[in-house]
Amino acid sequence: GAGVSQSPRYKVAKRGQDVALRCDPISGHVSLFWYQQALGQGPEFLTYFQNEAQLDKSGLPSDRFFAERPEGSVSTLKIQRTQQEDSAVYLCASSLAWSDTQYFGPGTRLTVL
Amino acid sequence: AQSVTQLDSQVPVFEEAPVELRCNYSSSVSVYLFWYVQYPNQGLQLLLKYLSGSTLVKGINGFEAEFNKSQTSFHLRKPSVHISDTAEYFCAVSRSGGSNYKLTFGKGTLLTVNP
Repeated sequence: GAGVSQSPRYKVAKRGQDVALRCDPISGHVSLFWYQQALGQGPEFLTYFQNEAQLDKSGLPSDRFFAERPEGSVSTLKIQRTQQEDSAVYLCASSLAWSDTQYFGPGTRLTVL
Repeated sequence: AQSVTQLDSQVPVFEEAPVELRCNYSSSVSVYLFWYVQYPNQGLQLLLKYLSGSTLVKGINGFEAEFNKSQTSFHLRKPSVHISDTAEYFCAVSRSGGSNYKLTFGKGTLLTVNP
């Protein structure tokens, strides 16, 4: 595709449910990033992949957050036992290499009730 | 660690007026600087970036920014705005050495261009 795509665009979950958010990066992009954007805030870094390797997960807020990219392309961000404070827009970005311009997807807006 | 302060959360202007969106950063190491724009229901789009060299950086859509190391600022300017420039603008910083993929964003400035 022409850009980074994310699905679903909107997700409503009840507190305690598990959710999975998908990111399809630009074809050929080696690096993939996840960010969390709370309401009224700028995006905050969560984690970084180079191909299938998760090289940096320093921004994941708790062990309930888990990300994977098993074949070095599509990535999934999973949140277990969702809490209200997890409500945010989750942005995915990809780049040709780790230091190149990051191209962002439209995000998934997660609302936890 | 790096941090970014965008001094104005909202900036209303009239069409064809000039605009400046302010950004200050804090870092103990050398940095790269970025401005991104976010239109409603769309992803962040890179407007311009400063990596090194000339401190005046020109970007897309007629925007430019100037890196001022002594004032730790990277303000975004446009001499004449259009209605279509209405969007949220984010300033971001990363360290210039290792781990420069990790962007730290400000809280954003909502630019509203009125007719």
